[in-house]
Amino acid sequence: DVKVTQSSRYLVKRTGEKVFLECVQDMDHENMFWYRQDPGLGLRLIYFSYDVKMKEKGDIPEGYSVSREKKERFSLILESASTNQTSMYLCASRTGAITDTQYFGPGTRLTVL
Amino acid sequence: QQQVKQSPQSLIVQKGGISIINCAYENTAFDYFPWYQQFPGKGPALLIAIRPDVSEKKEGRFTISFNKSAKQFSLHIMDSQPGDSATYFCAASKGGNLFFGTGTRLTVIP
Repeated sequence: DVKVTQSSRYLVKRTGEKVFLECVQDMDHENMFWYRQDPGLGLRLIYFSYDVKMKEKGDIPEGYSVSREKKERFSLILESASTNQTSMYLCASRTGAITDTQYFGPGTRLTVL
Repeated sequence: QQQVKQSPQSLIVQKGGISIINCAYENTAFDYFPWYQQFPGKGPALLIAIRPDVSEKKEGRFTISFNKSAKQFSLHIMDSQPGDSATYFCAASKGGNLFFGTGTRLTVIP
């Protein structure tokens, strides 16, 4: 079974803090993704990575950065958290085949006060 | 802007009834159309998917109908069960990246 784990289920941070969200997958998948999920907006792609040390911007990369130093781990970084980044963050992974399934983690609900 | 439009936002269906969720898109470059199911506290999971060269795909009680000329596709859940209560997302893929609809919260009442 594919397993995608995220470091925290719930996180509360203050405005201006630097926030790290970690994602680990155990299936040796090449591709990894970060989305945010908001009511009425669905899932929106923030960043994705096709390989170690590679990253590509998604639809809403502003205010975020990512790091992929190892194949199994993909980190999302909020350099200076703001209240409009309060959201559910979902990580996903996939093999290198673009039509293969994306497998999602359980999500991290981030609240920025 | 939303590249995939999904309706309705919420749906209540009696047990045994048919649930229908509709999606529409504009970009003809989309080449793969999956549906994801999400239960509370969980991440979305692939339910069923279709390519634009077929008009229908059925897996058990779940069917995707695809109308390429109208750029619309829909999910039909036959004999809906309380265990189907979840949020459903349609999506469209271009170059391996998924564009999601806004989601439909389905409630199946016993």
